Amino acid sequence: TQLLEQSPQFLSIQEGENLTVYCNSSSVFSSLQWYRQEPGEGPVLLVTVVTGGEVKKLKRLTFQFGDARKDSSLHITAAQPGDTGLYLCAGPRYLNAGGTSYGKLTFGQGTILTVHP
Amino acid sequence: NAGVTQTPKFRILKIGQSMTLQCTQDMNHNYMYWYRQDPGMGLKLIYYSVGAGITDKGEVPNGYNVSRSTTEDFPLRLELAAPSQTSVYFCASSYSENIQYFGAGTRLSVL
Repeated sequence: TQLLEQSPQFLSIQEGENLTVYCNSSSVFSSLQWYRQEPGEGPVLLVTVVTGGEVKKLKRLTFQFGDARKDSSLHITAAQPGDTGLYLCAGPRYLNAGGTSYGKLTFGQGTILTVHP
Repeated sequence: NAGVTQTPKFRILKIGQSMTLQCTQDMNHNYMYWYRQDPGMGLKLIYYSVGAGITDKGEVPNGYNVSRSTTEDFPLRLELAAPSQTSVYFCASSYSENIQYFGAGTRLSVL
């Protein structure tokens, strides 16, 4: 079973601070995705990382995929209240090696981020 | 574009009642999914479909049923509601293995 563990589960910081959220697994993933979910809404895809060691930037957000493709991190620089939300990592689920995932995803349990003004 | 539309947004059921959660998408996606989200548990896959007429179980299918008669619609059926099914339900669709588009969710309470 492919599991994704996120840490921390909760993060409460002041505006302007930096933070990092981690997503770890004992399994290798072909890719990992990061979603952001606001209260009362569904998750929205932020980024997909595919290559081991890959770094992607989205304004103040930096995403990294581990060299072994077993972990990923999300770093936010100078957090703002608008960054508040639930951050989820997810990776494709495969029934067996060499098969297709049909888009099925395994999700981490999420990190609830609160940025105070 | 409407994207993925879920109805209703909120519902309260009594134990043993049944209901259907509706999901429709207007993006002509072949893949559709139903997830449930419980606090601190992320999203768990209930059922998925790779096209009209084809459905399969996910991680937590017990107590639920689905059908996929058209590309657009993927309803989720609860036959005998139980308190353990109190959750937020999300429908999603995808045209590839990498990008899923989610609806706004249905918040269900079973009392």
